[in-house]
Amino acid sequence: NAGVMQNPRHLVRRRGQEARLRCSPMKGHSHVYWYRQLPEEGLKFMVYLQKENIIDESGMPKERFSAEFPKEGPSILRIQQVVRGDSAAYFCASSPENYSGNTIYFGEGSWLTVV
Amino acid sequence: AQSVAQPEDQVNVAEGNPLTVKCTYSVSGNPYLFWYVQYPNRGLQFLLKYITGDNLVKGSYGFEAEFNKSQTSFHLKKPSALVSDSALYFCAVRDINDMRFGAGTRLTVKP
Repeated sequence: NAGVMQNPRHLVRRRGQEARLRCSPMKGHSHVYWYRQLPEEGLKFMVYLQKENIIDESGMPKERFSAEFPKEGPSILRIQQVVRGDSAAYFCASSPENYSGNTIYFGEGSWLTVV
Repeated sequence: AQSVAQPEDQVNVAEGNPLTVKCTYSVSGNPYLFWYVQYPNRGLQFLLKYITGDNLVKGSYGFEAEFNKSQTSFHLKKPSALVSDSALYFCAVRDINDMRFGAGTRLTVKP
């Protein structure tokens, strides 16, 4: 049973370019979460999605960041016009449903470096 | 809002000694508490969780955690530490739409 799959694992972008990070949840999971981890810091919640719906985006920066989870295909976290401060590890997680006792399982992360 | 706190940035123990990584929580209602471990350049791995029932929860790799309602704590423990346990440990609490994490505690186990 494959876990949460994220790609690319490492991504280098120049300032002003776009970054697209992809996440395929675990089989049977319909809930996806994105977190950001800055160097030597903890995880900050960004967004929670179900298929075709953004449920909670309270942690997303107001500009340049967007997320989607289409009916078919992986969830995408998109960062437009990247800046150096966007350099971080971005983790996707998934759960089967949003019951509070459910564990969320993490992917291996996508490390974005903005040069 | 639900939250957890990890009062120690760093914990150092000698191999073979018992280890404790501390976590306190602040919740309204029933707490759903979790521990995760992160190795360098890797994602978070689930260790264990408390939902209800026995206060002592056993998890992966020989870890356990004790839920203490009066002290609002959920400390992670292991009777005998291994060098390979050296990693970053996160306590977390389930909120309505996400998981809220503590700042993390770096555990170093020295041979």
